[in-house]
Amino acid sequence: GAGVSQSPSNKVTEKGKDVELRCDPISGHTALYWYRQSLGQGLEFLIYFQGNSAPDKSGLPSDRFSAERTGGSVSTLTIQRTQQEDSAVYLCASSYGYNEQFFGPGTRLTVL
Amino acid sequence: QQPVQSPQAVILREGEDAVINCSSSKALYSVHWYRQKHGEAPVFLMILLKGGEQKGHDKISASFNEKKQQSSLYLTASQLSYSGTYFCGTEILTGGGNKLTFGTGTQLKVEL
Repeated sequence: GAGVSQSPSNKVTEKGKDVELRCDPISGHTALYWYRQSLGQGLEFLIYFQGNSAPDKSGLPSDRFSAERTGGSVSTLTIQRTQQEDSAVYLCASSYGYNEQFFGPGTRLTVL
Repeated sequence: QQPVQSPQAVILREGEDAVINCSSSKALYSVHWYRQKHGEAPVFLMILLKGGEQKGHDKISASFNEKKQQSSLYLTASQLSYSGTYFCGTEILTGGGNKLTFGTGTQLKVEL
């Protein structure tokens, strides 16, 4: 595809349920990033992948959050036992090396 | 540690100039600048690498003072299309690779 895609675009879930958010980076991009943006707030770094490995997981807010990347391409961010404070827009970005990051449109997660 | 941006918000008349500052308490490898319009994903503006370089395109330019660990974004002869939230992202090199930490953003509104 031409850009980074994310699915679903919107997700409404009940507190306590698990959710999976998917990111398809630009083909050939080696680095992939997950960020979280709460309403009116800045971008909060969650995790970074170089290839399939995650050298930096320091941003994951709790052990309910996990992410994986397979085949150096698609990544999935999983949130277990969702809480209301998890409600936010989750943004994925990819880049080739240490260059410009291209952002996807985001997944808006609402936890009721 | 999150970089500090100033000002938090600014309103301009079309044609006026603005400066947005970004300061870090850590030694930086690079500074990235992004603009985000309401409801959209952030879009890349430019990257500045250590070495005190200055970059620009069109009427938007930026400088990076490595010693002061600061970067400034200059918007000259502002246009309505410049409205949005501007984020700086500061990059430090870690043993595991690079990581961008974004500031809280500067809201810019350009009016007629």
